[in-house]
Amino acid sequence: DQQVKQNSPSLSVQEGRISILNCDYTNSMFDYFLWYKKYPAEGPTFLISISSIKDKNEDGRFTVFLNKSAKHLSLHIVPSQPGDSAVYFCAASPYSGGYQKVTFGTGTKLQVIP
Amino acid sequence: EAGVAQSPRYKIIEKRQSVAFWCNPISGHATLYWYQQILGQGPKLLIQFQNNGVVDDSQLPKDRFSAERLKGVDSTLKIQPAKLEDSAVYLCASSLGGLGYGSGANVLTFGAGSRLTVL
Repeated sequence: DQQVKQNSPSLSVQEGRISILNCDYTNSMFDYFLWYKKYPAEGPTFLISISSIKDKNEDGRFTVFLNKSAKHLSLHIVPSQPGDSAVYFCAASPYSGGYQKVTFGTGTKLQVIP
Repeated sequence: EAGVAQSPRYKIIEKRQSVAFWCNPISGHATLYWYQQILGQGPKLLIQFQNNGVVDDSQLPKDRFSAERLKGVDSTLKIQPAKLEDSAVYLCASSLGGLGYGSGANVLTFGAGSRLTVL
């Protein structure tokens, strides 16, 4: 059962334009969401997060939007740069007090074309 | 701060052989995770430690996989005997863990991974 879904395996965007990566989740217990970026031969690196008490979080060129009623979140990258070309993973966790189990989606490969 | 260290980076073995992966998390991180990432898929949690206790190993194939975290620091993941379908990247991650809703306690820092090829 895939609780975190990224339905677009790949995305190509022109440099300078907006990249929008989407993520859907099914577990209503999830209330903390994260995006990770992964380059080849490296581990994923944390990019940005959002808790369920917010609907938007911004960090420089990266903005994450959360729509709890739709169980949907998206990552916007503006403007897109060639260095943003990587695989992006959406991840989610429930608040469970003592520890947090983080579940990852299948990833979206973003290619930013110069 | 030093990152999460993993070794070996690459390992090629034949099926039915055994292999072990080592992970040294970020100093002070209470929670340690082992994920399996098969090509084209997202990371799948195998086991999660809080200090030296196991808090989740529901997706660990316990007939062939084992993991330990002695003294709540380093961890070792072992596969014995290996199968062809175990070919994957094994990612170790750590986090502060514990109470910390929204504070970044569940932001994982990953190592570079150990790529296993089973022939």
